[in-house]
Amino acid sequence: SYVLTQPPSVSVAPGQTASISCGGNNLGSKTVHWYQHKPGQAPVLVVHDDYDRPSGIPERFSGSTSGNTATLTITRVEAGDEADYYCQVWDGGSDVYVFGTGTKVTVL
Amino acid sequence: QVQLQESGPRLVTPSETLSLTCTVSGDSIYNYYWSWVRQPAGRGLEWVGRIFPGGRIDYNPSLTGRVLMSVDTSKNQVSLTLTSVTAADSAVYYCARGRGLVDGVFYYDMDVWGRGTTVTVSS
Repeated sequence: SYVLTQPPSVSVAPGQTASISCGGNNLGSKTVHWYQHKPGQAPVLVVHDDYDRPSGIPERFSGSTSGNTATLTITRVEAGDEADYYCQVWDGGSDVYVFGTGTKVTVL
Repeated sequence: QVQLQESGPRLVTPSETLSLTCTVSGDSIYNYYWSWVRQPAGRGLEWVGRIFPGGRIDYNPSLTGRVLMSVDTSKNQVSLTLTSVTAADSAVYYCARGRGLVDGVFYYDMDVWGRGTTVTVSS
């Protein structure tokens, strides 16, 4: 089955930049989506189709891809950005939605 | 503003059947497709399946044979049924909306989610 690998945790000071990677085999041929998930709340789509932001998502959140790695970047990090972040793709080969392993972002 | 609300029993006996409902308010379920996603305690997100109101249904192969999804258009609801449950099926279950085909492009993201409902499988 298709696997998306993320670092388990990222720590960042307020005002700094957090980068979260998502790696997978042949990921460059797929479109990547990113979700922010805070405890007890509904997950929130923050980036779709590699780099597009839904309405209402701050410009501080941006997505990019390079080869087999996708990256979610959060600039000017705020305390409210502390959450788990997941990447996600559709694996057309097996008709399955695949989520990454998840990254816990801690704001120091 | 579209809202999704999951509901169902919080406790299910092992080997029995888990049944959940997602009630959609603020829009018609006809306009999108709908997924169920679950998260076991301390673990990541796992896609369960998706349903198009027009009829197509796709399930996670790891659950094939135990999972069933359906829609009730008269109630604007999406349902999930999981049979022969075990402790491994204990999780927070989320309902999520997929945009699907928009202006000739199919979108595979899930842009609206419910807050989830916690299900524990235990005797």
